[in-house]
Amino acid sequence: EDKVVQSPLSLVVHEGDTVTLNCSYEVTNFRSLLWYKQEKKAPTFLFMLTSSGIEKKSGRLSSILDKKELFSILNITATQTGDSAIYLCAVCPNYGQNFVFGPGTRLSVLP
Amino acid sequence: DSGVTQTPKHLITATGQRVTLRCSPRSGDLSVYWYQQSLDQGLQFLIQYYNGEERAKGNILERFSAQQFPDLHSELNLSSLELGDSALYFCASSLLTDHPGAADYGYTFGSGTRLTVV
Repeated sequence: EDKVVQSPLSLVVHEGDTVTLNCSYEVTNFRSLLWYKQEKKAPTFLFMLTSSGIEKKSGRLSSILDKKELFSILNITATQTGDSAIYLCAVCPNYGQNFVFGPGTRLSVLP
Repeated sequence: DSGVTQTPKHLITATGQRVTLRCSPRSGDLSVYWYQQSLDQGLQFLIQYYNGEERAKGNILERFSAQQFPDLHSELNLSSLELGDSALYFCASSLLTDHPGAADYGYTFGSGTRLTVV
């Protein structure tokens, strides 16, 4: 059964801290891995990763994929209170695009 | 606004009842996906439709059914509701499926319907 595991499940930091969120997966096939940020309602897209070792970057957020070790990390530097959210990792195992989501990491950034 | 519209936003109903959740995909998207998100389960894939046809099924209960209409909007029907069905139900849409690289497009999520069964 396809599985996505995220750690930690919950994290509390102060503004300015740097955090690393982890995502590991076991799937029969692998097409891509995506990171989403979920605040109050709909998850919003952050990154899509398909190749190992290529860092994707957007402002203070960056992510990288290791297809050999089957994991990805999402880094957030100089955290702000607006980064408080649930961060979801999802893996697409096949063309059918039935993404398998991890449980999410709930990040709380305190002022 | 993501372009994916879900109605209603909130729904409160009693056990044993039946409800219908509606989703209009983003313009141009042919695939619609339904997900259930509860506190202890995370986002669980229910079902996918592509251009009116069921394409994939996940952990969808027999009491639940869905369809996609010719105008591509989709409805998720939940019947014989139980307390445990209380959750946030998301619809997402994407471009073509079964197309090389289609998996790279990811999803666009609607704002969800919060269902509370009392």
